[in-house]
Amino acid sequence: QSALTQPPSASGSPGQSVTISCTGSSSDVGAYDYVSWYQQHPDKAPKLMIYEVNKRPSGVPDRFSGSKSGNTASLTVSGLRAEDEADYYCCSHAGPYIHYVFGTGTKVTVL
Amino acid sequence: QVQLVESGGGVVQPGGSLRLSCAASEFSFRTYGLHWIRQAPGKGLEWLSFIHWDETTKFYADSVKGRFTISRDNSKNTLFLQMSSLRVEDTSIYYCVKEKVTGTEYDKAFEIWGQGTMVTVSS
Repeated sequence: QSALTQPPSASGSPGQSVTISCTGSSSDVGAYDYVSWYQQHPDKAPKLMIYEVNKRPSGVPDRFSGSKSGNTASLTVSGLRAEDEADYYCCSHAGPYIHYVFGTGTKVTVL
Repeated sequence: QVQLVESGGGVVQPGGSLRLSCAASEFSFRTYGLHWIRQAPGKGLEWLSFIHWDETTKFYADSVKGRFTISRDNSKNTLFLQMSSLRVEDTSIYYCVKEKVTGTEYDKAFEIWGQGTMVTVSS
């Protein structure tokens, strides 16, 4: 099972928006509404930001939003802030045999 | 909120074995579904294994199936990962992770992460 495809990098100025894509297949992203997104700062554990495509856990700002169309999911960060600079990973449930597949990761830089 | 603390990492030779532990701070540990996820240095995340709260269900990634065994001791609030036949490519930070649950349904998302324990496989 190949990793989901994300752009290596994305950037935006403070206050702007950035959108990260996550492309899979009809066996994972396209098959299930179980796409989640994780934020990881350097030398820290990942943090859940979005689950089930577009749901935010308690405490995650509404500047973070998720969506999905076909085999591609997206994470949008609106109103960029310096603390949003981090690596972001998508993940999709991939059925009863593969179970879970992560994306390749995107480094978001706040200019 | 539950905290997860991994231990047991270290340096091991190829072909060797290691047992990782993950201690949870909360009594309701016994109701959680738990995962192991790893991250090689400078690389992305890789899901490895899942265990249902009562151990009735266990899943493994193909990359570790037959070499790694997940288990838990609910009386001690502890999750384990027994790793054998270790390879250089198993070198990673290993995270213990609690699955998010809504009501009694798994949300298939990784809600609470430990700080990770480093495993280095090298001769």
